[in-house]
Formats: sequence, C-alpha cells, structure tokens
Amino acid sequence: SQQGEEDPQALSIQEGENATMNCSYKTSINNLQWYRQNSGRGLVHLILIRSNEREKHSGRLRVTLDTSKKSSSLLITASRAADTASYFCATEAGTALIFGKGTTLSVSS
Amino acid sequence: DSGVTQTPKHLITATGQRVTLRCSPRSGDLSVYWYQQSLDQGLQFLIQYYNGEERAKGNILERFSAQQFPDLHSELNLSSLELGDSALYFCASSVGTGGLQPQHFGDGTRLSIL
Repeated sequence: SQQGEEDPQALSIQEGENATMNCSYKTSINNLQWYRQNSGRGLVHLILIRSNEREKHSGRLRVTLDTSKKSSSLLITASRAADTASYFCATEAGTALIFGKGTTLSVSS
Repeated sequence: DSGVTQTPKHLITATGQRVTLRCSPRSGDLSVYWYQQSLDQGLQFLIQYYNGEERAKGNILERFSAQQFPDLHSELNLSSLELGDSALYFCASSVGTGGLQPQHFGDGTRLSIL
C-alpha cells in the first residue's frame, strides 16, 4: 500500500505559472524524497528533505515539510513545457522507498 | 542518463511462461531495487539487494525471484506468468542502503503478457 498520497492527481497549467503538488503520509519519517517521471522513462530523483528541515530549494524547486501535519509540498516556479511529467513523493520503509501514486503535471505553451 | 541499464526494453510473452529481466546498476552502487509499475497499483517495491545479499522484501509474489551477482548486476525472474503481471518493471540502484540514499532508476522493461 502507498505511504504517500499526492494531491492533486492531475494539474494543468500554462508556461510561466507556478505548480504546487502536495503529499500526505501516514507514519513518522526520517526524510522524504521527490521524484519526476517523464512518460515512458524511469524516475529521476529531484530533492530529499530531512525530517528536521522545513524547507529546501533546488533551482526552480522548493520543497516544504510539515511533520506535524505529515505533509510535504513541491513547488515548481516559472513552469516550462519540459516540466510536463508525473511527480512522486517517496518515504522510507526500512531500507526501501514507498511511492505515492503521483501527480501528473501538464504544462502547455 | 542515470547510468542504470535495463534489458530488454520490451518483452512480449504468453501466460504460463517464464522471463528474466536484467539490470546493471550505476557504477559504484551496491544496492539494487526492483519495482513494478502498473496503472492500478502504482509503483510497488518488490525487493532489494545490497552487495549480493537480499536486504528487503516488498510486495513480491512467490512466482517472482531475484538475485544479485558478484559483479553487482541483478536479475528478476518471473515465472508462471499471468495477464496481471503485465507492467513496467524498474530497477534502481543506490550507493548504500537506507532512506537517505537517492535512487537512480533505469528506463524499465515493459512486459506484456498475451
């Protein structure tokens, strides 16, 4: 079963707009990761945030983590058509990762 | 390019058959993970190997087995195939083991059961 659940399931925006995706999880975590998957390709690691961090930036990506609410958000600023992909949050389960079902982001030009 | 190589890219076979999927991890990575991705179940963790030994097991069916060889490449064996086994199978690798390790994914093997 999924530990993380992303919301919304699908998101359509115009180029230049910001995209926000949310992830909720059920049990306590030590860290949370976000991945991107382009159609027909493998997942690509985007960013990892530890449980003692509240916010982390990487280029146009901003991730927040609220452990009290068991939730995380991924913000992509100034979206581009190339950002069109599915985005997954992943939490640890022992030494493995458990992925949510993802948010499908469509960015149109 | 993640550095993780999976072969074959596509596989079409019939029910009841057996197939072997192969994965070469990124250079220097000791952990290999196998995942199954389908529309209804999403991305499901199957099994992890670390330096040749099984480290963690997820939702892997008894008909499925895996191993990691001394050169660190891994194989996932699927037997007595059923229609429901049609899915994308991904291999991922990481340097070590544990949730702090980013995983690097191959582009998967698309398995179609006819």
